[in-house]
Amino acid sequence: DTAVSQTPKYLVTQMGNDKSIKCEQNLGHDTMYWYKQDSKKFLKIMFSYNNKELIINETVPNRFSPKSPDKAHLNLHINSLELGDSAVYFCASSLAGAGTGELFFGEGSRLTVL
Amino acid sequence: AQRVTQPEKLLSVFKGAPVELKCNYSYSGSPELFWYVQYSRQRLQLLLRHISRESIKGFTADLNKGETSFHLKKPFAQEEDSAMYYCALAPLRNTDKLIFGTGTRLQVFP
Repeated sequence: DTAVSQTPKYLVTQMGNDKSIKCEQNLGHDTMYWYKQDSKKFLKIMFSYNNKELIINETVPNRFSPKSPDKAHLNLHINSLELGDSAVYFCASSLAGAGTGELFFGEGSRLTVL
Repeated sequence: AQRVTQPEKLLSVFKGAPVELKCNYSYSGSPELFWYVQYSRQRLQLLLRHISRESIKGFTADLNKGETSFHLKKPFAQEEDSAMYYCALAPLRNTDKLIFGTGTRLQVFP
């Protein structure tokens, strides 16, 4: 009965590869997010989707492409992986948007690019 | 530019000591401010929000618009308070954008 689940938890891959991280929420929330946490623990928003529509795209390289097949899922596909993509990626969801409501986070997916 | 600053990466105290985790923000309007916490091996979760003026697990935070601060305080720290704490700002009400600080790790020693 996990609220926000991400897979995989760990991902180790070579530079240049393409990989995907999946996220699902069973809370009935309308808004989903992807955040990136770098090695210094800095959390930065990447994307926000509301009811399958892209709301925020924070100048993320276009190698990163989010896809929301329905409002319960927000997947992140990364092409041509680079060393600097190594980070922990967090998925989150909210009912009323971040400003008025609470974000529910997944456990994170640690991506290591070699 | 909208920014959240947490000047301390690490704060270490002994059990029973008072705790203050500092947070300063940069924003010209009226922000919504939050504290999130991540305990070891757990998810990042909301601790408290300034609009609720609540005390959660003994923690309180007061918005000081003059000093643009939202420091998190607890009079007597407990070992179970050891965690990573993030201050966060939502620039406009109903926005989907939450801006996090860099986080402060609180260690409470027995």
